[in-house]
Amino acid sequence: DAKTTQPNSMESNEEEPVHLPCNHSTISGTDYIHWYRQLPSQGPEYVIHGLTSNVNNRMASLAIAEDRKSSTLILHRATLRDAAVYYCIRASSNYQLIWGAGTKLIIKP
Amino acid sequence: GAGVSQSPSNKVTEKGKDVELRCDPISGHTALYWYRQSLGQGLEFLIYFQGNSAPDKSGLPSDRFSAERTGGSVSTLTIQRTQQEDSAVYLCASSSGQGGYYGYTFGSGTRLTVV
Repeated sequence: DAKTTQPNSMESNEEEPVHLPCNHSTISGTDYIHWYRQLPSQGPEYVIHGLTSNVNNRMASLAIAEDRKSSTLILHRATLRDAAVYYCIRASSNYQLIWGAGTKLIIKP
Repeated sequence: GAGVSQSPSNKVTEKGKDVELRCDPISGHTALYWYRQSLGQGLEFLIYFQGNSAPDKSGLPSDRFSAERTGGSVSTLTIQRTQQEDSAVYLCASSSGQGGYYGYTFGSGTRLTVV
C-alpha cells in the first residue's frame, strides 16, 4: 500500500517529549516526508518536512531512518496546545501527496 | 494575503442546488490543491492546478464537480445539483511549486452542509 502508516492515537504527559512514528516503506528516492497537524475545525498546519537528513525547526524535529522507510516526528516538550491530529505525508517529485490516516495526539495535564 | 483564504467559511444549501466555493491562494504560489474531508476522516484529493498546465482532475468524485483557476490565482470549486453525501469540509492548499521540496499552506476550509 502506498499510504503512510501511523498509529491511530497516542497519549503523552504535558512537558514531556513526544515521538510520533510513521512508516512509509514504499517511499521513492525523491519523495519528501512532510508532517502536518490539524486542530478541530481548522485546516492542516505545516509542521516540518525533510528528504534524507534529520531536520529541526522551532516547532519540532524530524528524524528520518537511514533507509527512509520510516520517520519520527519529535515534539521536545509537549504542551496542551500540541493536542491535534498529526499527519505524515509522502510528497512526490511531481505533485502527489500520499496521506496517512493521522495520529490523534492526546496531551494529559 | 498572508495565508490561504477560503470563502464562505460555512455554507448550508438545499439538496439539488449548485454551490461555488472560493480559494484565494498565497500570492505567487503556482500550485493549488482542493481536498475534501468528511467528519473524522482523512483528506480526499479532488483536483490539482500547477501554473498554466492542465489540471489533474482525477480525484473529482463525479461530473457534478468542477473547478477552475483564473489567471493562475483564485480558484473556484463548483458542485452542481448537490447531494447529502457532498456534505464535508472542502480544503484548499497552495505551494510555491511542484514537488515535495516546498511546504504547503492550507486554508481553514469551507464547511458544506447539504440539507
